Amino acid sequence: NAGVMQNPRHLVRRRGQEARLRCSPMKGHSHVYWYRQLPEEGLKFMVYLQKENIIDESGMPKERFSAEFPKEGPSILRIQQVVRGDSAAYFCASSPPVQGAGDTQYFGPGTRLTVL
Amino acid sequence: SQKIEQNSEALNIQEGKTATLTCNYTNYSPAYLQWYRQDPGRGPVFLLLIRENEKEKRKERLKVTFDTTLKQSLFHITASQPADSATYLCALDTGNTGFQKLVFGTGTRLLVSP
Repeated sequence: NAGVMQNPRHLVRRRGQEARLRCSPMKGHSHVYWYRQLPEEGLKFMVYLQKENIIDESGMPKERFSAEFPKEGPSILRIQQVVRGDSAAYFCASSPPVQGAGDTQYFGPGTRLTVL
Repeated sequence: SQKIEQNSEALNIQEGKTATLTCNYTNYSPAYLQWYRQDPGRGPVFLLLIRENEKEKRKERLKVTFDTTLKQSLFHITASQPADSATYLCALDTGNTGFQKLVFGTGTRLLVSP
């Protein structure tokens, strides 16, 4: 049973380009979370999605960032017109469809974005 | 303001000793608290969860305590091994958002020397 998969693992972009990060949740999981980890900082919640729905995007920057989780295919975190401050590790996590207290999140290996 | 704090300094201990890591929080009322392990270049891996009405939880060499009065959780690794060297993250969920909206501490790096 494959775990959460993220690709690419490393992504280099120049300022002004677009970055697309992909996340395939664990089999049977329909909830996806995106986190950002800046150097020397903790993981920060960005967005929570279910299939075809954004449930909570309170951690997303208001501009340039968007996320989707289509009916088919992986979840995508999209960063338009990247700036150097976007350089970070971006982690995706997934959880089962029915959540209760005690359910945990399963993290992918992350995508390390470097903006030149 | 709301804060979740872990000791930013690395904890160095000798193999076989017990490692104790601290997680303090302010202005949260977490329904439960989780501990994760993160190795360099990898994603966090879930270790233990403790609910607000539980005082202590154990799993093999790991033990977590949760004191809602002190607003603190302690994470213990007994008989530590060099393979336990990693960064340990605590995360809390207030449980009032309808989903797991986790807030993470910055983590404490543990180094276990042979």
